[in-house]
Amino acid sequence: AQSVTQLGSHVSVSEGALVLLRCNYSSSVPPYLFWYVQYPNQGLQLLLKYTSAATLVKGINGFEAEFKKSETSFHLTKPSAHMSDAAEYFCAVSTNNNDMRFGAGTRLTVKP
Amino acid sequence: DTEVTQTPKHLVMGMTNKKSLKCEQHMGHRAMYWYKQKAKKPPELMFVYSYEKLSINESVPSRFSPECPNSSLLNLHLHALQPEDSALYLCASSLRSNEEGGQVEMFFGEGSRLTVL
Repeated sequence: AQSVTQLGSHVSVSEGALVLLRCNYSSSVPPYLFWYVQYPNQGLQLLLKYTSAATLVKGINGFEAEFKKSETSFHLTKPSAHMSDAAEYFCAVSTNNNDMRFGAGTRLTVKP
Repeated sequence: DTEVTQTPKHLVMGMTNKKSLKCEQHMGHRAMYWYKQKAKKPPELMFVYSYEKLSINESVPSRFSPECPNSSLLNLHLHALQPEDSALYLCASSLRSNEEGGQVEMFFGEGSRLTVL
């Protein structure tokens, strides 16, 4: 079965600083990987998704993620944090069985 | 229209009540999902419907009963719930099921926040 592990339940950065949220996956078959963001009292919004066409994936709001098969990682980055980026971020993995599984989540705090 | 609409947004019910959560999408998606999310936890998969047929049931207690009347609607019927069932219930849809091949992304609704007294 596939799974994802998010390292760090809480990440705090200063406004303008680099954002790095870590995600490692485990899958016996080629995975589909996603990053979602959840703002308080809202549903989940897709930030970006991994397609086999490119290992560097660009998403919305200036976020991007790099798929590294050798490290089984799919870390999310943003060069410069904005106050509006404060939210909960979930890494997710699915295979061919409609069974998307989410990581535990990382709460991003942005300090002024 | 790229929305998944869930109603009601908030629901308070007693343990003997019967209520339903509703989910609707008009994006032509053929797979629909129910997730349960407790506070400060990730969403947990409950049910998956693919082409209006139940394809995954994650060993959810029978007090939760899903229904997919047509390709645009997904219901979750609630009966004899327990206080520990209080959570945010998220509905999602995707264009097609993974079984058809290719990557699919999910579109989520805002959720229905359920409180069981």
